[in-house]
Amino acid sequence: DAKTTQPPSMDCAEGRAANLPCNHSTISGNEYVYWYRQIHSQGPQYIIHGLKNNETNEMASLIITEDRKSSTLILPHATLRDTAVYYCIVRVRGAAGNKLTFGGGTRVLVKP
Amino acid sequence: NAGVTQTPKFQVLKTGQSMTLQCAQDMNHEYMSWYRQDPGMGLRLIHYSVGAGITDQGEVPNGYNVSRSTTEDFPLRLLSAAPSQTSVYFCASGQQVSSYEQYFGPGTRLTVT
Repeated sequence: DAKTTQPPSMDCAEGRAANLPCNHSTISGNEYVYWYRQIHSQGPQYIIHGLKNNETNEMASLIITEDRKSSTLILPHATLRDTAVYYCIVRVRGAAGNKLTFGGGTRVLVKP
Repeated sequence: NAGVTQTPKFQVLKTGQSMTLQCAQDMNHEYMSWYRQDPGMGLRLIHYSVGAGITDQGEVPNGYNVSRSTTEDFPLRLLSAAPSQTSVYFCASGQQVSSYEQYFGPGTRLTVT
């Protein structure tokens, strides 16, 4: 699996957009980008995924660069409940049991 | 629809004791897995199953056994607990092997003294 690099932490003001970067420079053509988050002491929660096109759902938007070497998760209007650790994961869909490899993630603190 | 449930929520064991962590899902998912999360770290895959009767090892399988006799249940057995197994254990399920989204349970906090 391609390795991902995320900043260890970032702050965001409540009501503002939070932009979370992720580098995956060794990603291969059949690997997807997934984002999960983990709110304190809870199990991780799926947010969004993408291959090469930008994606949007009710939680967030995912912007993937044209060369696919990096991506940005956008939380359009951050709330205090969005305080969590956000994980960027790169994985081939369906390969070897669809295992997800979680790295260190980005600890996001949303401030009033 | 309860999703993924795990029991117990908390457990303290002495070194050498054995126990089973329970995991159940009511979504008829084929894929189930167990992760552990040590303090301040990401999750690491222990074992996984792509269907009833089929299991395989993840990154850190030593000291753990699993079985999958039904679609709903995927218990994790600690054979002889060690302090290094002190961790939070999460069970997850996905509709199929190829599913993008996995659903995680609330976790079991295990302390081995």
